[in-house]
Amino acid sequence: KAGVTQTPRYLIKTRGQQVTLSCSPISGHRSVSWYQQTPGQGLQFLFEYFSETQRNKGNFPGRFSGRQFSNSRSEMNVSTLELGDSALYLCASSWTGTGGEDEQYFGPGTRLTVT
Amino acid sequence: AQSVTQPDIHITVSEGASLELRCNYSYGATPYLFWYVQSPGQGLQLLLKYFSGDTLVQGIKGFEAEFKRSQSSFNLRKPSVHWSDAAEYFCAALPGNNDMRFGAGTRLTVKP
Repeated sequence: KAGVTQTPRYLIKTRGQQVTLSCSPISGHRSVSWYQQTPGQGLQFLFEYFSETQRNKGNFPGRFSGRQFSNSRSEMNVSTLELGDSALYLCASSWTGTGGEDEQYFGPGTRLTVT
Repeated sequence: AQSVTQPDIHITVSEGASLELRCNYSYGATPYLFWYVQSPGQGLQLLLKYFSGDTLVQGIKGFEAEFKRSQSSFNLRKPSVHWSDAAEYFCAALPGNNDMRFGAGTRLTVKP
């Protein structure tokens, strides 16, 4: 079956703009998590959605938001972009997101560059 | 504070040599533990995971990890490294609240 897909793969934006990233989970998976990966801060958890509801949230400012649609596809939005938002944004999906036996599968990521 | 620590930022080993990557966690209760590998420009691939039971866990690509509660460690090992193992390796912990925490990563270089 198809893996987790993320679009676009690469993106260049200017400071102050906003951006929307998309993630399509593996078919049947209902939990989608987002992570930010930077050289300085490493991998950090942004938020997790399950059945169209944000269930968990990491320690990021309100400029970072997301949503999940009824087909489990998810989008994340970053408003008023800052240079520090340049990162690889990874999406991961799982059946229920409850950990344990429920493995997270990661997409290839979207590389966002803010200039 | 809850955290995952990978003490080694970069490790270089010769092809065919053994490998051990270190990981320590700091949680009140033992979380679920994972090792992931990331090749350049790629997402994360799960190598193995530990939930409970047998403290020696076998994973894909010939990797194994040993959970040691007394040392709060979950070290990754491979008896003989291949050039294709060059990548970045992340240890991760998932406590009950679903806030997955990753270590800073260890970059593995394999010398021919």
